[in-house]
Amino acid sequence: DAKTTQPTSMDCAEGRAANLPCNHSTISGNEYVYWYRQIHSQGPQYIIHGLKNNETNEMASLIITEDRKSSTLILPHATLRDTAVYYCIVRSPHGGTASKLTFGTGTRLQVTL
Amino acid sequence: GAVVSQHPSWVICKSGTSVKIECRSLDFQATTMFWYRQFPKQSLMLMATSNEGSKATYEQGVEKDKFLINHASLTLSTLTVTSAHPEDSSFYICSAQGADTGELFFGEGSRLTVL
Repeated sequence: DAKTTQPTSMDCAEGRAANLPCNHSTISGNEYVYWYRQIHSQGPQYIIHGLKNNETNEMASLIITEDRKSSTLILPHATLRDTAVYYCIVRSPHGGTASKLTFGTGTRLQVTL
Repeated sequence: GAVVSQHPSWVICKSGTSVKIECRSLDFQATTMFWYRQFPKQSLMLMATSNEGSKATYEQGVEKDKFLINHASLTLSTLTVTSAHPEDSSFYICSAQGADTGELFFGEGSRLTVL
């Protein structure tokens, strides 16, 4: 079972920041928060991941609450090409089968003009 | 970034035939590979986990005799759909876990259509 809950869908105007929330209240101490996105008919694309500190890379920022029970993915300037399904997943990166990714339903982000 | 390649990207076959899908990690060694299936407008469903040199671990409800997985090397895993039927038509996606970092990278997916 997926350990995360996300809104089913969100809209965002092009050029604005897209803030995608995720709840993971049962996350354990050794589990990271990962974000992937899937554009139609393609494999998932890695975006970012973090353990407890906020993270930023060229694609996005990840804000994790102090209690680690929720996080927010921020796309600072959304473009039409960011339209995709965004998946928030908790996972321990090491440990064979324990390191598998279990996908929930994700958030369908629609970026509009 | 790391690259995972799947082949073929799409395949159409007749009912009753078998289809093999390859998943290769191009620039890193993958001790573990995962196979997913995705039906239209649904999320990815994990089918099985394969570790190099050992038998795959299948998720509940996935028939191991129908979906044969071989992970003979650190850079190649194959999924064979045996005696395919129309209900097996789906988007099959593999992911490979880097031996060093534990990070997961996904292939482009393979779309199977069984007539």
